[in-house]
Parts: sequence; structure tokens; C-alpha cells
Amino acid sequence: EDQVTQSPEALRLQEGESSSLNCSYTVSGLRGLFWYRQDPGKGPEFLFTLYSAGEEKEKERLKATLTKKESFLHITAPKPEDSATYLCVGSSNTGKLIFGQGTTLQVKP
Amino acid sequence: GAVVSQHPSWVICKSGTSVKIECRSLDFQATTMFWYRQFPKQSLMLMATSNEGSKATYEQGVEKDKFLINHASLTLSTLTVTSAHPEDSSFYICSAPGRYDSPLHFGNGTRLTVT
Repeated sequence: EDQVTQSPEALRLQEGESSSLNCSYTVSGLRGLFWYRQDPGKGPEFLFTLYSAGEEKEKERLKATLTKKESFLHITAPKPEDSATYLCVGSSNTGKLIFGQGTTLQVKP
Repeated sequence: GAVVSQHPSWVICKSGTSVKIECRSLDFQATTMFWYRQFPKQSLMLMATSNEGSKATYEQGVEKDKFLINHASLTLSTLTVTSAHPEDSSFYICSAPGRYDSPLHFGNGTRLTVT
């Protein structure tokens, strides 16, 4: 069964304290692995798409990486405005999207 | 800017009444749109796929008669929660297939509270 598992469920960081969010996946014929950011009471906002193992994408303080089994979202020197829930989504070879449960990040000033 | 507009952003209704939520694609046509439900601290759960010009496809366990979906045009899909009950209170989000590199563009969601 296709599955996407994110860890940790919640993460608290001090401002400037770098860390990584994990996304483990078992998805049939992975077409793509996507990261979204969701603020409370809002819809998810697209961050990155990764297609193949070894690929990396960066945007400001965020960097997403992909291996054959996992994806990581690295946050370097986070700021309070980075606080949000980060969703990992896998797309199977049938086009079905499998959502992870999300990691809620809180960055304290 | 936003490419999918969802309205209203929040609504409170009484038990037994119906509520309509609109999802519009801005500046592009969407023959398919998706409706999700999200419970607190949980991820999105796909409810149904809305298809322009044909019937919606519902996920297993989703009541077709309670959650009516109409894809009226290439830019508009609506979800009507009929005879709402408190257990229907939730956060509903629509999306349309992505442009560029994103598989999906999401609306900002609708917080439904049934009293």
C-alpha cells in the first residue's frame, strides 16, 4: 500500500536553530515528491517538487532533498515566520496523490 | 498570487440547513477539481473529484447525497453540504491540477461550523 510518513509530528526550534523534517515514502512508481507549507486556517502553499533520487531544490532558508526512500526538508537558521505545518505528498505512477500527516513547526524568537 | 479562489472562508450554519462552498480557478480552466476535508492536526483527506460536464467521483465512505458536487463550468466547482450536522463541521479545501511545477493549487479553505 502506498504510504507517506512524516516525522516528527511536531518540532519546536529556537530562532536560528537549524533542523530537518523527514518524509519516508513507499509509493508505487513515484512520479514526484512534493512539499507544501500550510498556515493555520489556510490551504497548502506549494514549495518544491522533486522527481528523482539525488535531486535538491532550495528556496530561501529551505532545502528539499530526495533519496529512494526518503525526502528531507532542511531548514537553515529558521525565523518565527517559518512556523507552519509542512506537508509531504507523493504522486504514484497512477497519478494518485498520497499525503503525509504533516510536521508542525514552531520557531520561537 | 492565488490561482484558486475558495469562498466563503468561513461559515456558521444551523443543523439541518445546507451550505454551498465555491471553488474557482483564476485565469485558467480546470476540467477537474478536488475536494478535501481536513480535521484538526490531520492531513487532507480526499473526498471527491469534480469533473466538468460529468458526475463527480467520490472516495469510498463519502456520502454522495450529503456532499453534492457540481462542476458548473471550466472555472467553477461547488460543494454543497446538505442537511448539515455538527459532525460535518470541518475545514474543507478545494484544489485544481497544477500549473508549472506544482501538482495541485489549493484554495484557502472553508471553515464550516454547524451548530
